[in-house]
Amino acid sequence: KAGVTQTPRYLIKTRGQQVTLSCSPISGHRSVSWYQQTPGQGLQFLFEYFSETQRNKGNFPGRFSGRQFSNSRSEMNVSTLELGDSALYLCASSLETAASHEQYFGPGTRLTVT
Amino acid sequence: GENVEQHPSTLSVQEGDSAVIKCTYSDSASNYFPWYKQELGKRPQLIIDIRSNVGEKKDQRIAVTLNKTAKHFSLHITETQPEDSAVYFCAATPGGYQKVTFGIGTKLQVIP
Repeated sequence: KAGVTQTPRYLIKTRGQQVTLSCSPISGHRSVSWYQQTPGQGLQFLFEYFSETQRNKGNFPGRFSGRQFSNSRSEMNVSTLELGDSALYLCASSLETAASHEQYFGPGTRLTVT
Repeated sequence: GENVEQHPSTLSVQEGDSAVIKCTYSDSASNYFPWYKQELGKRPQLIIDIRSNVGEKKDQRIAVTLNKTAKHFSLHITETQPEDSAVYFCAATPGGYQKVTFGIGTKLQVIP
């Protein structure tokens, strides 16, 4: 079974621009979560989607948004990029059954804002 | 919301020694506590998890303990090996398992 994939793997953007990142979960997984990883802050939760609905949201500004499609693929969008948005963005999918809550992470998208 | 504190931030041990990483959480509703290992340049991977109705869980050289009263949980690695060198993240999830709050991470270095 294929793992979680993310595209693109690397991205360089300029302040003020917007960016869209994509995540394809493991087949059959309906929950997709997004995290921002930085050296000083660790893994910070952005939001989680399940069956096209956002179930939870972290403490990030409204510039960060996401969505999930009927095939469970998810995208996150960051508008009006700031230098501080430079980070590794990880998505993770989960089967979400009573027995399994393991999150399977993708390789991440390394975003650099200049 | 949930807050997870993790310490130490870095840990160096000699090969064969034990390593202990400790975490505390704030939300008494949290009931699922996974631990993830992230090797350099790789994605985080689950190594062990524990639910709130269990006090201890072991898997070969790895064990996790949970003290719900004190809101503490710990990762224990025995007989450490160089391949255990990585960043370890603890996490806590309140009811519903959907929103996972991670600790800051512990960089473990096992010295051969």
